[in-house]
Amino acid sequence: AQTVTQSQPEMSVQEAETVTLSCTYDTSESDYYLFWYKQPPSRQMILVIRQEAYKQQNATENRFSVNFQKAAKSFSLKISDSQLGDAAMYFCAYRSSYNNNDMRFGAGTRLTVKP
Amino acid sequence: NAGVTQTPKFQVLKTGQSMTLQCAQDMNHEYMSWYRQDPGMGLRLIHYSVGAGITDQGEVPNGYNVSRSTTEDFPLRLLSAAPSQTSVYFCASGKINGGPLNTEAFFGQGTRLTVV
Repeated sequence: AQTVTQSQPEMSVQEAETVTLSCTYDTSESDYYLFWYKQPPSRQMILVIRQEAYKQQNATENRFSVNFQKAAKSFSLKISDSQLGDAAMYFCAYRSSYNNNDMRFGAGTRLTVKP
Repeated sequence: NAGVTQTPKFQVLKTGQSMTLQCAQDMNHEYMSWYRQDPGMGLRLIHYSVGAGITDQGEVPNGYNVSRSTTEDFPLRLLSAAPSQTSVYFCASGKINGGPLNTEAFFGQGTRLTVV
């Protein structure tokens, strides 16, 4: 079974600085999809960024970008120019392209943004 | 657009009671799914549906039933609630075209369920 590991339970960053959240995963599949979700105190899960494994180019969405290292099975999230509104739990997720019922989430990283 | 709407937001049940968690989306999404979120863990997939009349099991389906009679609605039923089902439940939806990249694109705000 695929597993997703977020090794940093908590991270903090100064406002306007850059922070990187780590995610590694275990899989024997060659094609799959990776996601980062944000969960603010409101509890709603918000899709931040997504990456298809067969695409070598790293995905970018405004201040959010990923560093996808397929051989290392690593999918880190970089948040640039951090804002107070970025404070939240961040979840990394893996979806199999072969099995519809295989969507795995990591345990999350709590990000604090200091003014 | 309302997006994905879950009701209720909070619920307390007694062991053995039954209830239905409602999920509705107004984006004409083919794909809908249910997850549970437990402390210190990521979300785990309970059931999912790729269209009206089609449902399938996820990672943790035991104790839960679903049906999909319309594109808009995907209710989750607990037939006999147990304390182990205390959790926060999320419904998600997304388009099928474009593949798995789009299936969990939108989430509801969750239902916090406590079984005593």
